[in-house]
Amino acid sequence: GAGVSQSPSNKVTEKGKDVELRCDPISGHTALYWYRQSLGQGLEFLIYFQGNSAPDKSGLPSDRFSAERTGGSVSTLTIQRTQQEDSAVYLCASSLVAGLRETQYFGPGTRLLVL
Amino acid sequence: SQQGEEDPQALSIQEGENATMNCSYKTSINNLQWYRQNSGRGLVHLILIRSNEREKHSGRLRVTLDTSKKSSSLLITASRAADTASYFCATGRAGSYQLTFGKGTKLSVIP
Repeated sequence: GAGVSQSPSNKVTEKGKDVELRCDPISGHTALYWYRQSLGQGLEFLIYFQGNSAPDKSGLPSDRFSAERTGGSVSTLTIQRTQQEDSAVYLCASSLVAGLRETQYFGPGTRLLVL
Repeated sequence: SQQGEEDPQALSIQEGENATMNCSYKTSINNLQWYRQNSGRGLVHLILIRSNEREKHSGRLRVTLDTSKKSSSLLITASRAADTASYFCATGRAGSYQLTFGKGTKLSVIP
């Protein structure tokens, strides 16, 4: 597609349920990033993937969070046993390759609300 | 903790005026980028300035970087109502592919 797409746009779930958030990066981009943005805050890095290399999971806040990237393209961020503090906008970005000088292209985000 | 901190947190100006936003950071950086976000959704990359550059221009945008003061500024000249958005600085450090974002400056341009 022309840009990064994410689904769903909005997700409301009950505390304790698991959720899956999906990201489709720009075709041909080998690097994919997940960020979390709480209300009125900046972006918090969660995880990034580069090609077939092991992902950098250093930003994941707890072991309830996990992400995978199948076939080097689509990525899924899974949050298990959701808590109210998980409520945030989850943003995905991709870049041609992983690199500090590479522009990251962001998707529209998934707004997650945990009741 | 946030690497970049923007100030002011909010800025309201009249259309046609210039808007200046500042960003301070704490550790050595490889580069600094500015992003724009509308309506709490996806971010759009505006400009990247490398640590060995002092100033960079792109259209109505002017970015400066002072590594001795660990600060950067984003100037938007001749602002338009469509410039209303939140603006974030993001820093990248050598040895890491992570970008660290500040909390942003919310700019309102009044027609």
